[in-house]
Amino acid sequence: DQQVKQNSPSLSVQEGRISILNCDYTNSMFDYFLWYKKYPAEGPTFLISISSIKDKNEDGRFTVFLNKSAKHLSLHIVPSQPGDSAVYFCAASNTGFQKLVFGTGTRLLVSP
Amino acid sequence: DAGVTQSPTHLIKTRGQQVTLRCSPKSGHDTVSWYQQALGQGPQFIFQYYEEEERQRGNFPDRFSGHQFPNYSSELNVNALLLGDSALYLCASSSGQGENSPLHFGNGTRLTVT
Repeated sequence: DQQVKQNSPSLSVQEGRISILNCDYTNSMFDYFLWYKKYPAEGPTFLISISSIKDKNEDGRFTVFLNKSAKHLSLHIVPSQPGDSAVYFCAASNTGFQKLVFGTGTRLLVSP
Repeated sequence: DAGVTQSPTHLIKTRGQQVTLRCSPKSGHDTVSWYQQALGQGPQFIFQYYEEEERQRGNFPDRFSGHQFPNYSSELNVNALLLGDSALYLCASSSGQGENSPLHFGNGTRLTVT
């Protein structure tokens, strides 16, 4: 049973435009949601998180939105840059930032 | 400041063999977690070690075991290897069981079972 789903395997965006990555979850007990970025041959790198008591968290060019009623979150990157090209994983947990349940990832390609 | 380091980088084993993977946490971190990432999938939680004890465990068989040493480094052992154990094994560290401390991942060990 896939508790965290990223239904778009890939996304292509032009430099300077907005990238929107989506994630759905099924477990209503999740209380933290995180986004990780992964470059080839490297481990995932923490990007941004949001607690279930919030509906938005912003950090520079990255904003995460949480819609608890729809069990949906999204990551917005504005403006997108070629260096943002990577695989983005959505993750969730009901034990803070530990024991993460990951989605299958979305490969973002930002073209100049 | 060294991040999470894992060894070896790549490993090839034969079905039925046993393997040991190693991890040194980021400086200042005392909690180590292990994840398995199969091809085309997201990482899947195996277990977490804190104060040299297994604290949490995911849905993995007993063939997967681990250890944490007094210097906080950790080993992942897999016995009786199956073809399906072929994956990228990621180690992640955090501090104090890190409820609010994001995991820092190493670059992983690529295990191939033939």
